[in-house]
Amino acid sequence: EIVLTQSPGTLSLSPGERATLSCRASQSVSASYLAWYQQKPGQAPRLLIYGASNRATGIPDRFSGSGSGTDFILTISRLEPEDFAVYYCQQYSDSPLTFGQGTLVDI
Amino acid sequence: QVQLVQSGAEVKKPGASVKISCETSGYIFINYYIHWVRQAPGQGLEWMGAINPSGGRTTYEQKFQGRLTVTRDTSTSTVYMELSTLSSEDTAVYYCARRERGSSWGLDVWGQGTTVTVSS
Repeated sequence: EIVLTQSPGTLSLSPGERATLSCRASQSVSASYLAWYQQKPGQAPRLLIYGASNRATGIPDRFSGSGSGTDFILTISRLEPEDFAVYYCQQYSDSPLTFGQGTLVDI
Repeated sequence: QVQLVQSGAEVKKPGASVKISCETSGYIFINYYIHWVRQAPGQGLEWMGAINPSGGRTTYEQKFQGRLTVTRDTSTSTVYMELSTLSSEDTAVYYCARRERGSSWGLDVWGQGTTVTVSS
């Protein structure tokens, strides 16, 4: 199974700042089948990025993804108040699908 | 519009089974896998398994083998997830989510979640 390790566990920032979240895989994620999700309290996760770098429908361009192989990054260029949430990476190139443990972005 | 609507909250005793439905609408049912993901209180996301509605083939996380059954009803575009021999460790919110077959999209639409509480 591919283990995903996210860092940092918590990122304390202010609105307007840049957030950089990391996701490292225990083995290569093929064809960049790597996604990022945002989850707010009491809500289902929302797909932000798929294929490592493609924004999902309706996702603002302040969210961007990059990386390949085993190292992936989610960047939020300028934090808006509604961006404070937990972010998960997920690989779907290999079964079982796996998620990282999450990064909390808070004020 | 595309929707995945899950059945309501459940309270179960240890050893019992739970069956949750995920009713889909607004898209071609057989073109998207349905996955099940759960989240224990205060914890992260855990993938459980998935079904290919076209044919019904399933794949399960190994830890749930023997306890998890995912089925579908193509006449109602509904997927069911049944988990047996429940323990307190199965207390969680359970989500269904879809992923397009043959694409690199992730889980792009999610159900609202179903809370399952296992307590004696």
